[in-house]
Amino acid sequence: QSALTQPPSASGSPGQSVTISCTGSSADVGGYDYVSWYQQHPGKAPKLIISEVNKRPSGVPHRFSGSKSGNTASLTVSGLQAEDEADYYCTSYAGSNNLVFGGGTKLTVL
Amino acid sequence: QVQLQESGPGLVKPSETLSLTCSVSGGYISTYYWGWIRQPAGKGLQWFGRIYASGSTNYNPSLKSRVTMSVDTSKNQVSLTLNSVTAADTAVYYCARFSRDYYFTMDVWGQGTTVTVSS
Repeated sequence: QSALTQPPSASGSPGQSVTISCTGSSADVGGYDYVSWYQQHPGKAPKLIISEVNKRPSGVPHRFSGSKSGNTASLTVSGLQAEDEADYYCTSYAGSNNLVFGGGTKLTVL
Repeated sequence: QVQLQESGPGLVKPSETLSLTCSVSGGYISTYYWGWIRQPAGKGLQWFGRIYASGSTNYNPSLKSRVTMSVDTSKNQVSLTLNSVTAADTAVYYCARFSRDYYFTMDVWGQGTTVTVSS
């Protein structure tokens, strides 16, 4: 069982926006602004798309954005494209040099 | 551009020890933390821990009793050892670099290596 809770699936049509949630506790998501999001296409390694809640590394499209409210972090993908279909994982720093993962969300572009 | 390449035995017998190596090219391992993550087929990601170039480690508390990480700066490699393996340890194992720009964030990943635990 993952420490962070994500919905198993999400979907949207091309051009639409989709938001994926990542719920933890005050010991992880709620306690630190160190939530990251990773995109993983089938058979590939994860790729960093959001760090420290809402920072987008160089090269990541602007349609990916992150936010946090209380113990829940969110990833929003705006202007969905076919290539955004992938699995998405959140992570959070959990104190004491520990990192926890979410269970992952499969995003389907309809 | 830094690249990571995991390598290992592929097949390990139950109760034995799994040893994996991550070779870093295009950059030096010094001044970075390096982590290990695994993913059972069709399942989510699990963090093992990370090691600094100096050898300082942070381990996932749930796996700490079976995990050892080490670093060889002369070879630009980091290693993972997992003892007393069972079928539940069958997974794709990734190594990753921890960013110096973003806290506890993995910004470069290897392609992964598949490990099967079976007799």
